[in-house]
Parts: sequence; C-alpha cells; structure tokens
Amino acid sequence: DARVTQTPRHKVTEMGQEVTMRCQPILGHNTVFWYRQTMMQGLELLAYFRNRAPLDDSGMPKDRFSAEMPDATLATLKIQPSEPRDSAVYFCASGLASGGPSDTQYFGPGTRLTVL
Amino acid sequence: GEDVEQSLFLSVREGDSSVINCTYTDSSSTYLYWYKQEPGAGLQLLTYIFSNMDMKQDQRLTVLLNKKDKHLSLRIADTQTGDSAIYFCAEIVKTSYDKVIFGPGTSLSVIP
Repeated sequence: DARVTQTPRHKVTEMGQEVTMRCQPILGHNTVFWYRQTMMQGLELLAYFRNRAPLDDSGMPKDRFSAEMPDATLATLKIQPSEPRDSAVYFCASGLASGGPSDTQYFGPGTRLTVL
Repeated sequence: GEDVEQSLFLSVREGDSSVINCTYTDSSSTYLYWYKQEPGAGLQLLTYIFSNMDMKQDQRLTVLLNKKDKHLSLRIADTQTGDSAIYFCAEIVKTSYDKVIFGPGTSLSVIP
C-alpha cells in the first residue's frame, strides 16, 4: 500500500528556530506539492515540483521558506527563522502529471507545526 | 479569479442524504474533484468527474456537474457517522501548468 510519508508528524519549536519538514513521495510519482492548512486561510499551495524541478513557488514566503528535492525520494520544506504565524499543518502530496484523473494528488498525513 | 467557493458547514441526520455544493471559475477545467479529509489526516480523493459528463454515480456518491452555471455538487446517500469530515471541491486551472485549486472545504457533521 503505497503512501506519502512525512516526518515529523508533530513539531513544537520556539520562535527563531529552524524547522525542517521531510516528505517521501510515492515511488514513481513525478510531482510533489507542499501545502499549508490553517483555519483562517484554508489550504494554501506553497510549492510544486515536477521531475524534481520547482515549477511554482509563488505561494511561498521567500524570505524564510525554502523547498528542495535533493533526490526523487525526498522533498524538504525549511523555515528559517520560524515565527508563531507559521503554526499550521503542512501537507506534502505527490502524483503523476499526465493530464488525466491520474493527476490525483495523494496526500501525506501532515506535519503539525507549533511555533511558540 | 481562481476562487472555488463552498459553504463551510453542513449538518445532517444519520440516514439522510447530504448535498454539498461548490461553484468554480474555470470553464475549461477538464476534471473536477471531490476530496475528503478526516480528522487528523490528509486529503484523500473521493471521486472526480470529467467535464464532458453531467453526472457520475459511485455507490452512495452522486456527482452532478452543471457546466453552464459552473456548479458542482456531491450527494451522499444514507449518510453515516463515518462520513463526518471536511469535503473539498477542486478544479483544474490552466496556468503554466495544470494547477489544482481547492475550495475552502465543507465541514459535514452527521448527527446520530
């Protein structure tokens, strides 16, 4: 049963600390998405990768956030320095870009981040 | 704009039908999706409909698409307590890539 995995599942940190979230996409998928979910803003797209190349990071605050795919099995989202307003659930999703229903995004369980 | 709109809350009694409505913006969307999010979990694809269809049925789920009004609905027959979740409507918008735009989600509460 192939799944997207995310680590850590929960993270509590203090303002100003660096936070790194990791995602392992489903093997064979060529797209990776990072989303942030909050009660106020709902689901926001932060970054989109296809074949490990960043195609859309327009939703990501550039001054403190960065997203990378060091290889096809790992995607990372870093926040440095973290702020209380970054508290949210961060989801990674992966999929296959083919223009059809297989463009379904498969979501991981999320990382719940709390910045004190 | 790229807004997908949904009502935020819906409450139904167990055994009744639930209808969750959505309006989208891009008339050229090829597919429209319904995702379900259970508490503490990520979103999971529930069903999708191709834009040249006006209805799709899958067991207790019926999706209706009105392209003229850009209106999508999800009907859940015989709603069960396990159907309590947040339901997201999503459309594909043509940008530099096929971008999926999610609605704000409708929180469905099923009363026993």
